[in-house]
Amino acid sequence: ETGVTQTPRHLVMGMTNKKSLKCEQHLGHNAMYWYKQSAKKPLELMFVYNFKEQTENNSVPSRFSPECPNSSHLFLHLHTLQPEDSALYLCASSQEVLGGAFTDTQYFGPGTRLTVL
Amino acid sequence: GDSVTQMEGPVTLSEEAFLTINCTYTATGYPSLFWYVQYPGEGLQLLLKATKADDKGSNKGFEATYRKETTSFHLEKGSVQVSDSAVYFCALQNTDKLIFGTGTRLQVFP
Repeated sequence: ETGVTQTPRHLVMGMTNKKSLKCEQHLGHNAMYWYKQSAKKPLELMFVYNFKEQTENNSVPSRFSPECPNSSHLFLHLHTLQPEDSALYLCASSQEVLGGAFTDTQYFGPGTRLTVL
Repeated sequence: GDSVTQMEGPVTLSEEAFLTINCTYTATGYPSLFWYVQYPGEGLQLLLKATKADDKGSNKGFEATYRKETTSFHLEKGSVQVSDSAVYFCALQNTDKLIFGTGTRLQVFP
């Protein structure tokens, strides 16, 4: 595997289900990101992890719970979602340099298309 | 705050036509500039980038020049193909945050 991979590619879940999205990067990067892409809206940054520590949470509802066990893996745990959470969820990774003062290019995975019924 | 403005789409062209997608930005300091492309049903792929004024990024026949005097990073291609049909996102990065435009859909017909 190369680059950034995401599983599953498609997910349909009910509002009472619990599921997890997985992201893995094979680029040796030390920062990972979750984005949400909804129809007709700009890409929204949700969470940022640098060196496995969460450094950003853009007012995301608590029904989304990220986990970063190591610098290569990132999860997004989902529970009691709403239909408006249906979207494409994109993972990205990059290399932080100079103690976080500069971030190199972000590389994206193919996304997980989530549908909440 | 920093922002990116792209022309609204869709842009509809015939094969072999010349493409321009306009992108302007507002930022403090000296951001890096990017074009990402999203093909149907897929994630974002880095198309090209430029990290300082007057740099030209190029890839797969696409080009964009970082113009600080006009705060622009317009995407161009001399002869588009049907396979170029996708959504194109302009983005800037200042220190750690990547800020995207709203995307421009390109449709190329044979």
